[in-house]
Amino acid sequence: QVHLQESGPGLVKPSETLSLTCIVSGGSITSHYWGWIRQPPGKGLEWIGYVYHSGTTNYNPSLKSRVSISVDTSKNQFSLNLTSVTAADTAVYYCARDPAIWARYWYFDLWGRGTLVTVSS
Amino acid sequence: QSALTQPPSASGSPGQSVTISCTGTSSDVGAYNFVSWYQQHPGKAPKLMIYQVSKRPSGVPDRFSGSKSDNTASLTVSGLQAEDEADYYCSSFAGNNIFVLFGGGTKLTVL
Repeated sequence: QVHLQESGPGLVKPSETLSLTCIVSGGSITSHYWGWIRQPPGKGLEWIGYVYHSGTTNYNPSLKSRVSISVDTSKNQFSLNLTSVTAADTAVYYCARDPAIWARYWYFDLWGRGTLVTVSS
Repeated sequence: QSALTQPPSASGSPGQSVTISCTGTSSDVGAYNFVSWYQQHPGKAPKLMIYQVSKRPSGVPDRFSGSKSDNTASLTVSGLQAEDEADYYCSSFAGNNIFVLFGGGTKLTVL
C-alpha cells in the first residue's frame, strides 16, 4: 500500500527558501505524476504544481516565479522549493498522487498527512 | 484565474439530502470532465470523494454523487449522517496554462 510522508523544517524565515520532501513508500515513484498542494490556516486548498519521474513539471502560474519541484527516483522521493517566502506562504503543505499511469487525471487519490510550515522571523 | 466558487456553508438534518455547488467558467468546469470533490475533516488531509464529475472511488458510499451542468458542478450527499460533517472542496482542470483550480470550500453541517 503506497504511503506518502512530507518532511522538512516547520519554521522558515521571511525571504528565505522553503524546502520540503515527500517520501513515497510501498510503491515506485515512476509511472505516476506527483503534486504539491497547500492550505493556509483556516483557508482553502491551493494547487502548487506537478512533477513526473522524468523531471517534467507544471506549476501554478501565481507561484511559478518562486517554485520548483524536483524528483529523485533513486530515493523514491520528490521535493518542493519555494523561494523568497513571506507570511502569506504559511500553510499546511501536502504532497499527493495523481492516479493516472503515465498521464494526468488532474485529481489526487492519495495524500500525505501534511506538514505545517510557518514563515516567521 | 480565480478559484472556483462554492457556497461557504450548507446544512441538513440526518437522513436528508444536501447539494453543494461549484461554479466555474467555460474555460474550466464547463470545458472538461475533470471535476473532482474532496472531503476534509478538521486536522486531516483531504479525501477524494468524486472524480471525473461523477465517479466514486472504491470505498466511498454511494450516498455521494456528482454531476455537472454547463459551468456548474454539484456534489449531492443523500441520507446525511453525522460523519458527513466536514469541509468539501471541488477542483477542476483549467487548461494547459492554469492547470488545476480548487473551490474555496463548503462547510457542511449536519444538524
